[in-house]
Amino acid sequence: GAGVSQSPSNKVTEKGKDVELRCDPISGHTALYWYRQSLGQGLEFLIYFQGNSAPDKSGLPSDRFSAERTGGSVSTLTIQRTQQEDSAVYLCASSIDGRPTNYGYTFGSGTRLTVV
Amino acid sequence: GENVEQHPSTLSVQEGDSAVIKCTYSDSASNYFPWYKQELGKRPQLIIDIRSNVGEKKDQRIAVTLNKTAKHFSLHITETQPEDSAVYFCAALKTSYDKVIFGPGTSLSVIP
Repeated sequence: GAGVSQSPSNKVTEKGKDVELRCDPISGHTALYWYRQSLGQGLEFLIYFQGNSAPDKSGLPSDRFSAERTGGSVSTLTIQRTQQEDSAVYLCASSIDGRPTNYGYTFGSGTRLTVV
Repeated sequence: GENVEQHPSTLSVQEGDSAVIKCTYSDSASNYFPWYKQELGKRPQLIIDIRSNVGEKKDQRIAVTLNKTAKHFSLHITETQPEDSAVYFCAALKTSYDKVIFGPGTSLSVIP
């Protein structure tokens, strides 16, 4: 696609429910990254994919968080048993050939998750 | 791991004045330092970057400086305009194939 697409753009869920957030990176971008941005806060790294494998998942805050990427393209971030502190904007980014030093990241517009 | 600090957290300047945002990083092996701008409700976008073999880089009204010895780098915006109002994130990267670590951000307001 022309840009990084994320869906849904907004998600309101009840505490304890599971949610799935989707990211469709720019076609041909081999690397995909998930970040979390809480209200008024910075960009917190969650997980990085190179192809379908995740060489760095050090930022996942707990075992309730998981992510996968299939076909070297679409990625899904799953949050199980959501808690109120999970409320944030979840941003996905991709980079050409896995090197952010070339052209930087291209971010999606994010999914705003609200846990009530 | 890498830790990036950023100051100030908020900055207000009069239109036409200069704005300076300062960052420090912890890992001396970091060698690439991008800056991202995030306008309200929009996605972050890369505005300028600098590599460790360069001390300064300019692009029109914005410039970045890097002091590797002190592990400091800064963003300078001259002749600020209202459309410069945004949150600015500095960042550091250690190797080409790595994740970008962002600072906490600076909210810049340019007052007309």
